[in-house]
Amino acid sequence: SAVISQKPSRDICQRGTSLTIQCQVDSQVTMMFWYRQQPGQSLTLIATANQGSEATYESGFVIDKFPISRPNLTFSTLTVSNMSPEDSSIYLCSVRSGAQGTQYFGPGTRLLVL
Amino acid sequence: GESVGLHLPTLSVQEGDNSIINCAYSNSASDYFIWYKQESGKGPQFIIDIRSNMDKRQGQRVTVLLNKTVKHLSLQIAATQPGDSAVYFCAEMSGYALNFGKGTSLLVTP
Repeated sequence: SAVISQKPSRDICQRGTSLTIQCQVDSQVTMMFWYRQQPGQSLTLIATANQGSEATYESGFVIDKFPISRPNLTFSTLTVSNMSPEDSSIYLCSVRSGAQGTQYFGPGTRLLVL
Repeated sequence: GESVGLHLPTLSVQEGDNSIINCAYSNSASDYFIWYKQESGKGPQFIIDIRSNMDKRQGQRVTVLLNKTVKHLSLQIAATQPGDSAVYFCAEMSGYALNFGKGTSLLVTP
């Protein structure tokens, strides 16, 4: 299985500021994703991070609010821009790896916006 | 995907009993299903998966059953232990996207 780390593990931010979350994988992976999990709820896909091209965003998520970088096959960043309290969530990095294409998740970044 | 609410369904079982967690999906084109376990403060952890050409798959103390006719998935945990207390999510894949269900909170009591 892939080992995924995220930084920071948690943060408390002021509204109007931006936070960049880093995701590092221990092996090269083609498919990398970013999810949001609001308090007490399920996971929602934000976007697919594509290496060498722009990320593919799901309905309701836009690049200006959640810019994503994917400079290589082991690393990606998600920025939460111009934050408001509604952005308080867990942000999770996920990758698909192995012969079966199993999807694994990082430990998450817990964000609280005041 | 499914709509989500503010409160998770909760299943309370006694230690040593078997647990059954159910999940309904809506997309008949889904061909791959996964169960995840999420403990407090952690990311989802892969438990077991099943493809649509199967109706049952077993792992260590866990069994996943798939009924494509009624679009129903279940996770059975044998001899439930306190360490099994967590939120369990089913997820279905059609195309490239993995869509998650609402989640069920499993509480194991001594």
